[in-house]
Amino acid sequence: LAKTTQPISMDSYEGQEVNITCSHNNIATNDYITWYQQFPSQGPRFIIQGYKTKVTNEVASLFIPADRKSSTLSLPRVSLSDTAVYYCLVGTRDTGRRALTFGSGTRLQVQP
Amino acid sequence: GAVVSQHPSRVICKSGTSVKIECRSLDFQATTMFWYRQFPKQSLMLMATSNEGSKATYEQGVEKDKFLINHASLTLSTLTVTSAHPEDSSFYICSASPPSASSYNEQFFGPGTRLTVL
Repeated sequence: LAKTTQPISMDSYEGQEVNITCSHNNIATNDYITWYQQFPSQGPRFIIQGYKTKVTNEVASLFIPADRKSSTLSLPRVSLSDTAVYYCLVGTRDTGRRALTFGSGTRLQVQP
Repeated sequence: GAVVSQHPSRVICKSGTSVKIECRSLDFQATTMFWYRQFPKQSLMLMATSNEGSKATYEQGVEKDKFLINHASLTLSTLTVTSAHPEDSSFYICSASPPSASSYNEQFFGPGTRLTVL
């Protein structure tokens, strides 16, 4: 599995757009990028997954440059409830079929 | 989406006792479930893979005789922490995925169980 590097923490204010970048220099051709969100004392929750360019859903957008060595999770207009830890994972698409390897994650703190 | 539950959500026990944690897939069948452990301010660490009808697969460094896993049905896996000690105090989380094409890229996690061993 490709190793991922994320900032340990980030701070933001309500209403701002937050971009969390994940580096994965050794990503393989068949690897996808998946992001999970974890609130305190809860299990992680799937946010988004992508392979290249841009993916958008009702929660977030995922931007992946052509070289795929990094990716950016974009959270539009964050609220206090977006305070959580965000994990970037890299691996083959079927992440639902196997155990996941979580890195250190990025702790996002949203201030009022 | 699919729902995975855990019980209990929180348990406090004395050192030396055994604690059983249940993980249930409420609206789907799961031949495979995963058990993770998370210490405060740290990431999730995989403990074992629970396989319905067969023995669990444990990660290196996880004592199989201490952390007993039973996956007796397609909707229930249990983790028993035997002879618990304070260092076993942690947040235990299970996960599973429905066997449908749409779930290939998404895993569903339980709400976790906070174990405190006094």
